[in-house]
Amino acid sequence: AQSVAQPEDQVNVAEGNPLTVKCTYSVSGNPYLFWYVQYPNRGLQFLLKYITGDNLVKGSYGFEAEFNKSQTSFHLKKPSALVSDSALYFCAVSRRGGYQKVTFGTGTKLQVIP
Amino acid sequence: DARVTQTPRDKVTEMGQEVTMRCQPILGHNTVFWYRQTMMQGLELLAYFRNRAPLDDSGMPKDRFSAEMPDATLATLKIQPSEPRDSAVYFCASGLGPTGPPTYNEQFFGPGTRLTVL
Repeated sequence: AQSVAQPEDQVNVAEGNPLTVKCTYSVSGNPYLFWYVQYPNRGLQFLLKYITGDNLVKGSYGFEAEFNKSQTSFHLKKPSALVSDSALYFCAVSRRGGYQKVTFGTGTKLQVIP
Repeated sequence: DARVTQTPRDKVTEMGQEVTMRCQPILGHNTVFWYRQTMMQGLELLAYFRNRAPLDDSGMPKDRFSAEMPDATLATLKIQPSEPRDSAVYFCASGLGPTGPPTYNEQFFGPGTRLTVL
């Protein structure tokens, strides 16, 4: 079975400071990994994904994520947080090949303080 | 700009009533997912379809929930009878399978249906 852990329910960061939202995963074989963002009263929006290759993946709105196979982690990062980044962030994992379901984490609420 | 659409956006109903939620996946997508989101349980996968056939509905309470795809442009999630514990936001998402290029299982979410059962 595959699983995703987001250990922090909420992360608070001051505007302009770097932010990190943590994610670890468990899956057999090499994974596909995703980050999604959800703004209030909206559906989830895709931010970025890791498929293969470079461990640092760049995505939308200046976000990036670092894949670490040995630590089975895929932490989301941004060098300088904006108030508008405040939202709920979901990490997700999928196996490769065939028709696979995607397993989502429980979500981390990011609060950027002006 | 292709999007997943869901209707209704909000639904308030009384316990025991039937509720039907509809989803129009992105044209050309062949996988459809139904999720339920609550504060307590987070995001739960209820069911998913491949080429209109159910692939996994193990997350769905079978006694009152049913999901179908009458055609490639419509997915429905029905609750009969509804109960207050069904109050949640229900999301539909669509994607391109199998899991690989070009989208690698990226899912495209609709705006959700907020269901309140009194």
